[in-house]
Amino acid sequence: DVKVTQSSRYLVKRTGEKVFLECVQDMDHENMFWYRQDPGLGLRLIYFSYDVKMKEKGDIPEGYSVSREKKERFSLILESASTNQTSMYLCASRVTSLYEQYFGPGTRLTVT
Amino acid sequence: AQSVTQLDSQVPVFEEAPVELRCNYSSSVSVYLFWYVQYPNQGLQLLLKYLSGSTLVESINGFEAEFNKSQTSFHLRKPSVHISDTAEYFCAVKRKGGNEKLTFGTGTRLTIIP
Repeated sequence: DVKVTQSSRYLVKRTGEKVFLECVQDMDHENMFWYRQDPGLGLRLIYFSYDVKMKEKGDIPEGYSVSREKKERFSLILESASTNQTSMYLCASRVTSLYEQYFGPGTRLTVT
Repeated sequence: AQSVTQLDSQVPVFEEAPVELRCNYSSSVSVYLFWYVQYPNQGLQLLLKYLSGSTLVESINGFEAEFNKSQTSFHLRKPSVHISDTAEYFCAVKRKGGNEKLTFGTGTRLTIIP
């Protein structure tokens, strides 16, 4: 079974802190994605990566950056957390030639 | 660019009753279509997908969806729901070809009433 794990299920941070959200997949997938999920807005793509050291902006990249130094790990970075970044963050991975995205369980981030 | 509309944000249904969750999409090119399900406190899981061929696709737990090109729809149906179907359901679209990203709808929360 494909496994996508996220470093924390729940996280509470203060405004202005630098926040790292980690995602690891164990199936050698080329593509990885970071989404945020908000009620009434569905899933919105923040960043994605086609391969190691490659990244592309999604629909809402402002206030976020990413890092992909190894194929299995994709990190989302909030350089200076703000209260409007309180949300559920979902990571996903996918084999390039297939279409199914496998999702992690999510990290619920609260910024106070 | 593609877009997905799920008009119903919440759908309450009595147990063992039928249900239809609506999904309409907009795209100027051919697309693949997906339904994902999110059970409480979990990530999303693929429920079913339409890539090509038969326009009626089925999942292992009794859901089905029909691709209707003329109406640009991909509605999800189940003839008899169970308590365990309580979840949020997301429709998604992807342009055919390449490494295009998925575009998700805003989701429909299905609540089963005992």
